[in-house]
Amino acid sequence: QVQLVQSGPEVKEPGSSVKISCKASGGTFRTEAFTWVRQAPGEGLEWMGGLIPVFGTPYFAQKFQGRISITADASTNTIYLQLRGLSSEDTATYYCAKDHRVKPMNYFDSAGLFYWGQGAQVTVSS
Amino acid sequence: QVVLTQPPSVTGAPGQKVIISCSGIQSNMGALPGVHWYQQLPRTAPKLLIYGDSNRPSEIPARFSGSRSVSSASLAIAGLQVEDEADYYCQSFDSNLNVWVFGGGTKLTVL
Repeated sequence: QVQLVQSGPEVKEPGSSVKISCKASGGTFRTEAFTWVRQAPGEGLEWMGGLIPVFGTPYFAQKFQGRISITADASTNTIYLQLRGLSSEDTATYYCAKDHRVKPMNYFDSAGLFYWGQGAQVTVSS
Repeated sequence: QVVLTQPPSVTGAPGQKVIISCSGIQSNMGALPGVHWYQQLPRTAPKLLIYGDSNRPSEIPARFSGSRSVSSASLAIAGLQVEDEADYYCQSFDSNLNVWVFGGGTKLTVL
C-alpha cells in the first residue's frame, strides 16, 4: 500500500526557511516521480517542482528559482522541500505527491499525481 | 509560460451533466503527457480523476470523462451527484519552460 506521510505543521518568521519532509512507503522510490504542490488559503493549486530520485535533477517553477531546494534521501525513502526567504505569501498547505506512472522515462513523462500526502501547513508570521 | 483558464464556477442539478473547460493548452506539446484533472473536496488533498487527456484510474467512475482538442481540454461529469460538489483543476505541461501548470480551478455546485 502506497503512502506518503508528511511532517507536521510549521510556524516560521518572515525571512526564515522551512524544510518539509515526505516519507514514501509501498513503492520503489528511486525511479518514481515526486512533486511538491502548494495551496494558499482560499486559493488554487500551485506546482512548485519535483524530481525522480535516481536521476537527481530537480525541476522548479520559475517563481521559486533561487530559494527552493528539492532533495531525496534513498536511505530513508524521504523527499524534502526547503523554501528560503519566507514571506506571508508563502503561508499555505504544502503537499507532496507521487506520479501514477511506476517508472517514468523522465519527470514529465507523467500519468498524473495519484498519491498525495496529507499536507503540511506552513504559517509565516511575525 | 502557459496559462490555463478555467471557469471559476459551474452549477448543475442532480442527474444532469456538466462540462468544465480548460483553455490555453500548449498546442505543440504533442500527444504526451496530456492533460490531467483533479477533484478536491473541502479540506482534503486533491484526487486524480483523469490522466493523459481521457484516461481514468480504475477506481474513478465512468461518469467522469475527459477530452482534448488542439488548445483546450474538457472534463465532463454525467449523472451529477451531491457528493461531486468540489473544486476541479486541470494540469498541463509547458514544454518551453519544462514546468507543470495548474488551471485556476472550477468550483462545482450541485443544487
